Amino acid sequence: AQSVTQLDSHVSVSEGTPVLLRCNYSSSYSPSLFWYVQHPNKGLQLLLKYTSAATLVKGINGFEAEFKKSETSFHLTKPSAHMSDAAEYFCVVSDFAGGFKTIFGAGTRLFVKA
Amino acid sequence: GAVVSQHPSWVICKSGTSVKIECRSLDFQATTMFWYRQFPKQSLMLMATSNEGSKATYEQGVEKDKFLINHASLTLSTLTVTSAHPEDSSFYICSARDYVGGPYEQYFGPGTRLTVT
Repeated sequence: AQSVTQLDSHVSVSEGTPVLLRCNYSSSYSPSLFWYVQHPNKGLQLLLKYTSAATLVKGINGFEAEFKKSETSFHLTKPSAHMSDAAEYFCVVSDFAGGFKTIFGAGTRLFVKA
Repeated sequence: GAVVSQHPSWVICKSGTSVKIECRSLDFQATTMFWYRQFPKQSLMLMATSNEGSKATYEQGVEKDKFLINHASLTLSTLTVTSAHPEDSSFYICSARDYVGGPYEQYFGPGTRLTVT
């Protein structure tokens, strides 16, 4: 069965510094991987997705993620954090073996300091 | 882009009553819809998968008789929390899958916050 592990429950950065949110996955088949962001009391917004095309995926708001099969990782990065990036981020995996169900990681809370 | 709506956005009900939450795909047909539950400061937990015209498939540990799911049309799925109790208070989120976007693409609704008093 597929699973996803977000290695940090919370990350704190200063505004203008790089962001790294780590995600490892487990999948028996070629997975699709996603990153979603959720602001307080809001719904989910898709940041980016990997579906077996280019391994470096660019998303909205300057975020990008790289699919590394050898490391079973899909870390989310951004060169320069903005105050508005403060939110909860979820790494998500889906594959054929799981009936295309979407499995969420536990989430990483990003704090951005002024 | 594909839009999924939920109604109501928030609801307060008394213990013992039932409440229905609607999930609609506004501009596409969704053969499959998913229902999630999210407790404060926690991740989303998949409750069930519903396919249009057939019975929902529930995840282990989710009570079928308590959380009734109906997917009567290609654009509407409903979740009814029966005989609600305070521990059912949560944020419920639905998503819908559009096969045009591929089997992995899901579109999420804005969520419904349920408070049971």
